[in-house]
Amino acid sequence: AQSVAQPEDQVNVAEGNPLTVKCTYSVSGNPYLFWYVQYPNRGLQFLLKYITGDNLVKGSYGFEAEFNKSQTSFHLKKPSALVSDSALYFCAVRDGNNFNKFYFGSGTKLNVKP
Amino acid sequence: GAGVSQSPSNKVTEKGKDVELRCDPISGHTALYWYRQSLGQGLEFLIYFQGNSAPDKSGLPSDRFSAERTGGSVSTLTIQRTQQEDSAVYLCASSRRLAGVNEQFFGPGTRLTVL
Repeated sequence: AQSVAQPEDQVNVAEGNPLTVKCTYSVSGNPYLFWYVQYPNRGLQFLLKYITGDNLVKGSYGFEAEFNKSQTSFHLKKPSALVSDSALYFCAVRDGNNFNKFYFGSGTKLNVKP
Repeated sequence: GAGVSQSPSNKVTEKGKDVELRCDPISGHTALYWYRQSLGQGLEFLIYFQGNSAPDKSGLPSDRFSAERTGGSVSTLTIQRTQQEDSAVYLCASSRRLAGVNEQFFGPGTRLTVL
């Protein structure tokens, strides 16, 4: 079965510290992976994607993600967290058989404390 | 420019009633998705439209759910005979033609509450 897992419901980090939001996936074929962020009372916004190429992908707001094929992971990272990064983060993967379909994780709530 | 818009933003209905949810995608985006976001859960794919092709309905949970897209633009998601388990936030997203590669742009959602 194809799926995405975000093992942490919540991540707490102090402002200025590095952050990691974890994502693992299961998909047939080559994975197309995405991260989205949902700020309070706003729609989901695209952060970054991995299609092919360099395993380290850079995206919006200073975020980056590392694709690890052997561990089937695509963890979201940022070297120095900001209070304004506090939001709900979703990892998504495209279905390997039905390219129209995406699977989203259950979301991870990131709390950055001053 | 204008993003994806959805209406209404909130809808409260009684069990058994029909509801219609509307989505206006970004102009020029040929791909349109509907998702359902339940409390504490991720987004659940419902249906996908691409241009004039037949929609991918593989995610619709029951035959009470249907959607149409008129003129390749506005889309309406209809839920007939609503049940309490239909309560969720319904999200619409659009993207450029190669939807599997391009990112999706999401609307603010419609929060549906079935009493």
